[in-house]
Amino acid sequence: SAVISQKPSRDICQRGTSLTIQCQVDSQVTMMFWYRQQPGQSLTLIATANQGSEATYESGFVIDKFPISRPNLTFSTLTVSNMSPEDSSIYLCSVEDRRTDTQYFGPGTRLTVL
Amino acid sequence: GIQVEQSPPDLILQEGANSTLRCNFSDSVNNLQWFHQNPWGQLINLFYIPSGTKQNGRLSATTVATERYSLLYISSSQTTDSGVYFCAVERWGTGFQKLVFGTGTRLLVSP
Repeated sequence: SAVISQKPSRDICQRGTSLTIQCQVDSQVTMMFWYRQQPGQSLTLIATANQGSEATYESGFVIDKFPISRPNLTFSTLTVSNMSPEDSSIYLCSVEDRRTDTQYFGPGTRLTVL
Repeated sequence: GIQVEQSPPDLILQEGANSTLRCNFSDSVNNLQWFHQNPWGQLINLFYIPSGTKQNGRLSATTVATERYSLLYISSSQTTDSGVYFCAVERWGTGFQKLVFGTGTRLLVSP
């Protein structure tokens, strides 16, 4: 299984600012995924990041608000821009293991916006 | 889009009890996974089970794809089983793992 790390693990930010979350995987992967989990809720897919191409965003999520970079096969970043208290959530990155058809998640970034 | 409903939403058990968690989905799927989110937020993959039955220790899962449901069985529950259990599905034909997560079952196992 893949080992995934995220930075930062948590942060408290002021409204109107931006935060960039990093996701590092210990092996090369084709697809990386970014999810949001609002307090007490389930997970919602934000976007899919494929190395060398623009990220694909799900309905309700836009690039201006959640820009994503995927510079190589082991790393991705998600930026939460112009934050408001409604952006307070856990943000998780994940990767798929095509050998086992399973998905593995990073430990998440707990974001609180004041 | 596909809807994924889980039941019960909350469950409280005494240590040693057994339980069954259910996941219903509204469309054909080619991927179904069960996850456990521990109290610290970490998601752990339990099963990849688009059909059939699998067992791993005290946990087992069954998916009846033709009837669009999956069940997760926990036997002899332990306090470390506490957390939230999610099923997640990939709608048939999407090509890669764009998972849609269910509503979750929050489990509390008391000593």
